[in-house]
Amino acid sequence: AQKVTQAQTEISVVEKEDVTLDCVYETRDTTYYLFWYKQPPSGELVFLIRRNSFDEQNEISGRYSWNFQKSTSSFNFTITASQVVDSAVYFCALSGTYKYIFGTGTRLKVLA
Amino acid sequence: EAQVTQNPRYLITVTGKKLTVTCSQNMNHEYMSWYRQDPGLGLRQIYYSMNVEVTDKGDVPEGYKVSRKEKRNFPLILESPSPNQTSLYFCASSSTRQGHSPLHFGNGTRLTVT
Repeated sequence: AQKVTQAQTEISVVEKEDVTLDCVYETRDTTYYLFWYKQPPSGELVFLIRRNSFDEQNEISGRYSWNFQKSTSSFNFTITASQVVDSAVYFCALSGTYKYIFGTGTRLKVLA
Repeated sequence: EAQVTQNPRYLITVTGKKLTVTCSQNMNHEYMSWYRQDPGLGLRQIYYSMNVEVTDKGDVPEGYKVSRKEKRNFPLILESPSPNQTSLYFCASSSTRQGHSPLHFGNGTRLTVT
């Protein structure tokens, strides 16, 4: 069975702090894809990144970085120097064959 | 503009009154799917479709129906809505048949069943 666990329900940080959102997944598929999506207070869902199971290279995009480790089945997301605009719910997701499984989300509050 | 369009945005109905939430995409995507979002439960997949006339159940299909008669449209049908179907619903599409590409989401439909 596939499963995505985001153990952090809510995180509050002060602006400019770094913050890491954890994501742990379970799957028996050898080929799978991992995603992060952002849901700001306005409610839309925005794609941030995709990683496939054969690519364990970490990725950095501006203040965002992602650490994918197959050995621990984790795909963590770090925001460096957080800003108020980063306040949102962040979802980690797993796609194997046709089905999409989302975690329960982590609500990030960045305080000015 | 590439988009997924859901209608209506808000819907209040009564138990047992059949309703349809429409979803249309203009990106020629093969994969489409429906999700419901509930507090503390994240997004859960209801149904998905890999191509025209091909649909399958997600994790929470009970009480819902879908159809995919055309590539661009994927309506969600609640034949006899119940209060436990009160939720925020999202339609999404993806360019690859297996759903491996990023999902493009509609803006959501907030459904209240009284």
